[in-house]
Order: sequence, then C-alpha cells, then structure tokens
Amino acid sequence: AAGVIQSPRHLIKEKRETATLKCYPIPRHDTVYWYQQGPGQDPQFLISFYEKMQSDKGSIPDRFSAQQFSDYHSELNMSSLELGDSALYFCASSLGRDSRFYGYTFGSGTRLTVV
Amino acid sequence: AQSVTQLDSHVSVSEGTPVLLRCNYSSSYSPSLFWYVQHPNKGLQLLLKYTSAATLVKGINGFEAEFKKSETSFHLTKPSAHMSDAAEYFCVVATDRDDKIIFGKGTRLHILP
Repeated sequence: AAGVIQSPRHLIKEKRETATLKCYPIPRHDTVYWYQQGPGQDPQFLISFYEKMQSDKGSIPDRFSAQQFSDYHSELNMSSLELGDSALYFCASSLGRDSRFYGYTFGSGTRLTVV
Repeated sequence: AQSVTQLDSHVSVSEGTPVLLRCNYSSSYSPSLFWYVQHPNKGLQLLLKYTSAATLVKGINGFEAEFKKSETSFHLTKPSAHMSDAAEYFCVVATDRDDKIIFGKGTRLHILP
C-alpha cells in the first residue's frame, strides 16, 4: 500500500542556508501535518494544512514557511538555518476532518543536519 | 485544551514478561487516543487507536490498550515482551478540531534478555 513519502531522507546544510523538505501524502488524503523531532525529544507540531489551506500553526519559527499544493503534496521551506534546526522532520497525512477515526500515517522523516 | 502525560520515561522488562506503558490524558471532550512506536532511526508506526468505539483496543504485534474514562487513562499492555519490542512509544491525543495531534514525551522500552 502507498505510504507517505518524504524527500529527501537526509539533508546536510550549512548555517544560514535554506532547505526545502517535501511530503507526498497517501493518495486521497487531503490533510498534511509537519512535526519536528529533536534528538531524544518528542515530536513537536509545526503546521498543518487541510484542502490546501493552513489549518493550524504550532511552534514553527518565522524563518520557516510551508504550503500545500493542488496535488496535496506539501513543502516545508526553511531559511537562515541554525544549528538548532538539526532534527528529524516528519510529515503525516490523514483523510478529511475525521482524522481521528482514520488515524494519521507518518512518513519516515527527513533528517536535517545543519553544520 | 488537550494534553497527554506518559508517566514513565523508561521502562525495562525481561523478555517474556508483561509490558505496561502508562498514559494519562486531559481533554474537554471525548478524546481520540493513539499509541505510536518508533524504532531507532525509523519513522512513527501506528500501533492502535481509540475513537469512542470499544474501550479495549487491540493493535498490532500483540499490543492492546484500554480506555478508562474514570481514570483518564489509556495504558498500553502486552502479555509477553519480545526483544523486537525495544523502541520508543508515544501516546498521542487528537485535538477536537482535528488540526493537529499532540504527543506525549515518550517512553523508551528496554527488553532484558
């Protein structure tokens, strides 16, 4: 069965550079969530989209932005990268506003390392 | 507002003995609750979910959890631990608006041979 696809799997960037992370949800899923998981930490919610509109915003820095496109894939854009941005970034997708009933499927994550 | 508390940051059990990972939640409404497992350097895998149907939920790999409203708990159990169960386990609550899910701090399960 198709899963949530994230690319790239690994990314190494220098401080002050920019990075773009991509997330391709399960087909027909219209809701995407982004999470950041620091070393030894629980995932922290960044932002979510439903039907291409931002639906909620968490602890996402102003240096980050995201959007959901017409094909429902989402991109997380990160600028002026800092060492503290090094983390595993997860994307999850779900179906509609009844996500709680269907559950949330996570991608394998993108590991970003800022040097 | 919803929140979730995992009472133990680390749990160690011997292989073949029962597993209990504790989770308490806070929610103004009837919550949706999930358990996810994360193996080292791997993504998050859904073990099971509670969505106001049966209070005893059976998941994958022999895990199950019981929703107890009176105790605001959703503890994860398994009758007999296996070495492959060693991982980080997250208890998760879905918000009322379904716009995000909130993770507990996680419980690292160690399996002793």
